[in-house]
Amino acid sequence: GIQVEQSPPDLILQEGANSTLRCNFSDSVNNLQWFHQNPWGQLINLFYIPSGTKQNGRLSATTVATERYSLLYISSSQTTDSGVYFCAVETGANNLFFGTGTRLTVIP
Amino acid sequence: EADIYQTPRYLVIGTGKKITLECSQTMGHDKMYWYQQDPGMELHLIHYSYGVNSTEKGDLSSESTVSRIRTEHFPLTLESARPSHTSQYLCASSEKRGIGETQYFGPGTRLLVL
Repeated sequence: GIQVEQSPPDLILQEGANSTLRCNFSDSVNNLQWFHQNPWGQLINLFYIPSGTKQNGRLSATTVATERYSLLYISSSQTTDSGVYFCAVETGANNLFFGTGTRLTVIP
Repeated sequence: EADIYQTPRYLVIGTGKKITLECSQTMGHDKMYWYQQDPGMELHLIHYSYGVNSTEKGDLSSESTVSRIRTEHFPLTLESARPSHTSQYLCASSEKRGIGETQYFGPGTRLLVL
């Protein structure tokens, strides 16, 4: 099956810093989504981004489908950004395959 | 705004008990999913449904079963819980957007089997 790798696995930031999270995938995909899982376990959809660039406030994402990677940018990080960020891709079977996640800790 | 609900949020139960985890969505989505997630790990799809009377097994083998009698309801059942079933269970539903689907997740059920 498709492989979805995320890096780095863990990231600690000072509040106000910027960061880039990466997602590599091993095959062509129909869809790519970024999720944030908060410390209480709730998964929130951040972006639906099979290709191109999108921005939402301090977050933005870019997917280069031809090179099989996606990047999530977090600017001016806040403590509420802490949690695990998952990349998930959808292939022809229309089911999502999740990466192993990046655990982000933002310290005041 | 996504409206998908799971109950209970937390469950501690003894080995051998039968349990049902509830999942409901009010968005009229046809497709629904159950994922299993161990602490700090990725999500694994265990069941999904294309609509009423449709149930399919996911990528991760699971001893649980599901049913889809109504569009809005997708319960998961364990006939005889074991400690190896201890995990977080996340329900999701999806709407079509172009050729892909945006999935919306419930808050999850944390299950501990003693």
